[in-house]
Amino acid sequence: DAGITQSPRHKVTETGTPVTLRCHQTENHRYMYWYRQDPGHGLRLIHYSYGVKDTDKGEVSDGYSVSRSKTEDFLLTLESATSSQTSVYFCAISEMDTQYFGPGTRLTVL
Amino acid sequence: AQSVTQPDIHITVSEGASLELRCNYSYGATPYLFWYVQSPGQGLQLLLKYFSGDTLVQGIKGFEAEFKRSQSSFNLRKPSVHWSDAAEYFCAVGGGNQGAQKLVFGQGTRLTINP
Repeated sequence: DAGITQSPRHKVTETGTPVTLRCHQTENHRYMYWYRQDPGHGLRLIHYSYGVKDTDKGEVSDGYSVSRSKTEDFLLTLESATSSQTSVYFCAISEMDTQYFGPGTRLTVL
Repeated sequence: AQSVTQPDIHITVSEGASLELRCNYSYGATPYLFWYVQSPGQGLQLLLKYFSGDTLVQGIKGFEAEFKRSQSSFNLRKPSVHWSDAAEYFCAVGGGNQGAQKLVFGQGTRLTINP
């Protein structure tokens, strides 16, 4: 157990609304990641962080922003949700070059 | 660019039979390789990883994987599957010693176990 929680675990929202997903870790890990999981695509990296206020884009970053104001929290924001952002979102931390994943957030955009 | 191919989208085996899940990767340097398992509705659990050294690595739940550089493969094996092994399996590749590793995942292989 890498001490990762995600909130909310499930969310249904409407197209055009902003959405923020939270990832919280309890073990002071430096690196944190956001992935999305879609059938046929495995997991794809959205954004990652290498420290407080230090973030960078991943493979599928369009339409997403992130913030990390504290070591323990990494927020993913969909500024204006679209139906193509319906997905399962996973947060991960890295420890000794190995990533460990949170339980996921299932997001549905109607 | 890194890439991972899992050629089998869905595999069905009988309980007690042996299992091999295929993974081929593309990476310009020495890769860090991982296998994760995901049960329905759950997160991903690390089965095993390869960074360097012995090319046959042992993982949890009786799984093992063999790194073959010449074939760019990292296939996952288990000698005798149990019904509880039914899940989706993901192979991933990352670059070592790069600080924030950006993993690239394969599409996944869904494993069904026949009783």
